[in-house]
Amino acid sequence: EPEVTQTPSHQVTQMGQEVILRCVPISNHLYFYWYRQILGQKVEFLVSFYNNEISEKSEIFDDQFSVERPDGSNFTLKIRSTKLEDSAMYFCATGQGEGTEAFFGQGTRLTVV
Amino acid sequence: AQSVTQPDIHITVSEGASLELRCNYSYGATPYLFWYVQSPGQGLQLLLKYFSGDTLVQGIKGFEAEFKRSQSSFNLRKPSVHWSDAAEYFCAVGPMEYGNKLVFGAGTILRVKS
Repeated sequence: EPEVTQTPSHQVTQMGQEVILRCVPISNHLYFYWYRQILGQKVEFLVSFYNNEISEKSEIFDDQFSVERPDGSNFTLKIRSTKLEDSAMYFCATGQGEGTEAFFGQGTRLTVV
Repeated sequence: AQSVTQPDIHITVSEGASLELRCNYSYGATPYLFWYVQSPGQGLQLLLKYFSGDTLVQGIKGFEAEFKRSQSSFNLRKPSVHWSDAAEYFCAVGPMEYGNKLVFGAGTILRVKS
């Protein structure tokens, strides 16, 4: 069964450092998303990406965040200068389009120290 | 604004007992509705979805959910719970125009006692 793959599974970084979270989507999917879940809180939408551009982003997704699909396969989330409050589980999700569901990866647990 | 309410933070049921997890949503039109399950340290697995048609939808692992437009609800049910069902369950709502965000509820943690 096809699946969304995220790497790394865990990342520990120092405050102020840049991190890149990676996602390999299911091969025929065209829509890509990042969500995050701070420990004990709701899963929150960060950004959606379609046709090589951001289609929607939340207020959480400020200038410190960026997404790209540099090689047509990996979909990445970059946090330029991490803060303690960026510690969370980050989920990548991908989908085929209207009328279909999003498939989630296993997540990357980011810990900022 | 879209919102999803899961009024029960924790639910404990005995193995073999029936289960109902509640979900209410606020949305301006008929949304897409989903239930996801998350085991500790794991990702989100889709249990079932409602897009249109029959308001009673069947999912994996013996789960079903019923969409009630008049009550803005999409409650998840299972007739007989197994110990392996212990996990956190999330209800989510998304717009008909795919390509936009899902809004999740806060989740309900299910504990199963033997």
